[in-house]
Amino acid sequence: EIVMTQSPATLSVSPGERATLSCRASQSVSSNLAWYQQKPGQAPRLLIYDASTRATGLPARFSGSGSGTEFTLTISSLQSEDFAVYYCQQYNNWPHTFGQGTRLDIK
Amino acid sequence: QVQLQESGPGLVKPSETLSLTCTVSGFSISSGYYWGWIRQPPGKGLEWIGSIYHTGTTYYNPSLKSRVTISVDTSKNQFSLNLSSVTAADTAVFYCARDLGSGSYYAYWGQGTLVTVSS
Repeated sequence: EIVMTQSPATLSVSPGERATLSCRASQSVSSNLAWYQQKPGQAPRLLIYDASTRATGLPARFSGSGSGTEFTLTISSLQSEDFAVYYCQQYNNWPHTFGQGTRLDIK
Repeated sequence: QVQLQESGPGLVKPSETLSLTCTVSGFSISSGYYWGWIRQPPGKGLEWIGSIYHTGTTYYNPSLKSRVTISVDTSKNQFSLNLSSVTAADTAVFYCARDLGSGSYYAYWGQGTLVTVSS
């Protein structure tokens, strides 16, 4: 089983600033990595797939990068609606596995 | 527009079997894609439970494999989750979801349903 590790667990950033979230895989997942955003009481929302492809309608301030074992989600200029929990998920191997999440808080 | 809706008991007794159904609208399950179950204990992260293809091929989380069965009923456009011998640790919000091909990321999610395991 591939273990996904996200860091940091919590990130405090001011609106308008840049946020960088990391996800590391215990073995290579190629580019088979997705990022999700989850707000309280809601289902996760797909943001990024294939490591760097934005989902339909996603603002350009969200970008994903990386391959192999190291991945990054960057939000270039945080808006109030971006404060949420973010999860990465690998789908290169069964079982598919999620990271433990990064909570993005308002500073 | 693909829509998924979970249904089932909100309360299950310890040692019993948790059974949930996901009803799909706007898309025919028999047309393809993988259909999955993901759970989230209160205040915790997401845990992938398993997925099923419309042909019946299944993949399960090894940590749950001995207790999980996922099945599909294409005539009703539904797929189901059975989790046996539940304990309080199985209390969670359960989500059903659909991927975008070949066992990949989940683009469509149900709203989730909370199942509490308690006597």
